[in-house]
Amino acid sequence: EAQVTQNPRYLITVTGKKLTVTCSQNMNHEYMSWYRQDPGLGLRQIYYSMNVEVTDKGDVPEGYKVSRKEKRNFPLILESPSPNQTSLYFCATGQSIGPLHFGNGTRLTVT
Amino acid sequence: GQQLNQSPQSMFIQEGEDVSMNCTSSSIFNTWLWYKQDPGEGPVLLIALYKAGELTSNGRLTAQFGITRKDSFLNISASIPSDVGIYFCAGQLTNNNDMRFGAGTRLTVKP
Repeated sequence: EAQVTQNPRYLITVTGKKLTVTCSQNMNHEYMSWYRQDPGLGLRQIYYSMNVEVTDKGDVPEGYKVSRKEKRNFPLILESPSPNQTSLYFCATGQSIGPLHFGNGTRLTVT
Repeated sequence: GQQLNQSPQSMFIQEGEDVSMNCTSSSIFNTWLWYKQDPGEGPVLLIALYKAGELTSNGRLTAQFGITRKDSFLNISASIPSDVGIYFCAGQLTNNNDMRFGAGTRLTVKP
């Protein structure tokens, strides 16, 4: 079964405390990406990766980092989270260009 | 920033009615994608469009990639209660692999 697994599903943290949200996929997809979803704004792309060691900035990359050391994993790193990064985050994968499968989301609250 | 204008923002319809929603942009897109999101879950891909003018169906859903490559529409025929959810359009920018999403259309179907 095709799976995109994000962890954790819920996270409450404080300003400035580094955190990582993990994403893994079992479909051998080359394309992976991260989005944040905020009310009234739809989904906005943070970073995407077309293959191992290849990452590019999306629409709203500020305050985020990613890495793609293996094909199946694409973690999202917040080095110093701030309250404006409180959001619902989704990881997505695809075989070619564009997201085909989304994870179930990570709800992050930064106080 | 947001480059896709999706309308309407919300729709309240009676079961059995047809639904139409669209996305427009000032930018040219290489690919158009339509998704549905249920509460607490990630978006699910409904239809993908790869060529200008392309008209594609998936059951009761039909979507078209506008000739100008700046717009797309999604039609749902004979709506049923399980069509309830938020529908998103997404486009891939031609000059890179960036994705842009519309703000969503919230569909409510009254039995």
